[in-house]
Amino acid sequence: QKEVEQNSGPLSVPEGAIASLNCTYSDRGSQSFFWYRQYSGKSPELIMFIYSNGDKEDGRFTAQLNKASQYVSLLIRDSQPSDSATYLCAVGGSQGNLIFGKGTKLSVKP
Amino acid sequence: DADVTQTPRNRITKTGKRIMLECSQTKGHDRMYWYRQDPGLGLRLIYYSFDVKDINKGEISDGYSVSRQAQAKFSLSLESAIPNQTALYFCATSATGGAISDTQYFGPGTRLTVL
Repeated sequence: QKEVEQNSGPLSVPEGAIASLNCTYSDRGSQSFFWYRQYSGKSPELIMFIYSNGDKEDGRFTAQLNKASQYVSLLIRDSQPSDSATYLCAVGGSQGNLIFGKGTKLSVKP
Repeated sequence: DADVTQTPRNRITKTGKRIMLECSQTKGHDRMYWYRQDPGLGLRLIYYSFDVKDINKGEISDGYSVSRQAQAKFSLSLESAIPNQTALYFCATSATGGAISDTQYFGPGTRLTVL
């Protein structure tokens, strides 16, 4: 069974701090990795994807991928209260679908 | 207009009733998916379809069936609804992938309550 693991949280950070969200996956053959944000009762929305080892930056967000360690993370710089949401890590499956973690709930305190 | 739409957005039904949830997309994507989300359990894949003639079971297909009426339409049916099918249901779409799975785009969700 291919798995994607995330700490459920809640992760609480003060406004302006860096929030670090982590994800591990079991399928060493996985090639695509995604971070989604989901507000309560709303649908998941894509933040960013990463395919290659290393860092990928998009505004205040940085995704980091380490395939050898089967680890992907999301850093949110200058965290804002509006960043408070559940963050879902998803990994590309061998059948072309995505396997989602259960999500980490982030709370940014003003 | 939204690229992925779901109807109805909210539905309350009774045990034993047949219910259909519908999904339409204007993104031109070949691939469509149905998920359910329960508190603490994350998103779980029910069925997925890579084109009109291709239907595949996900991890929790029991009690559900689907129909891919056209490239743009993918319906989920509960033949005889039961209370533990109460959940938030999402439809998603993605473009045809190669070796790398493509980004999935989600509809707004249908909140289903089975009494």
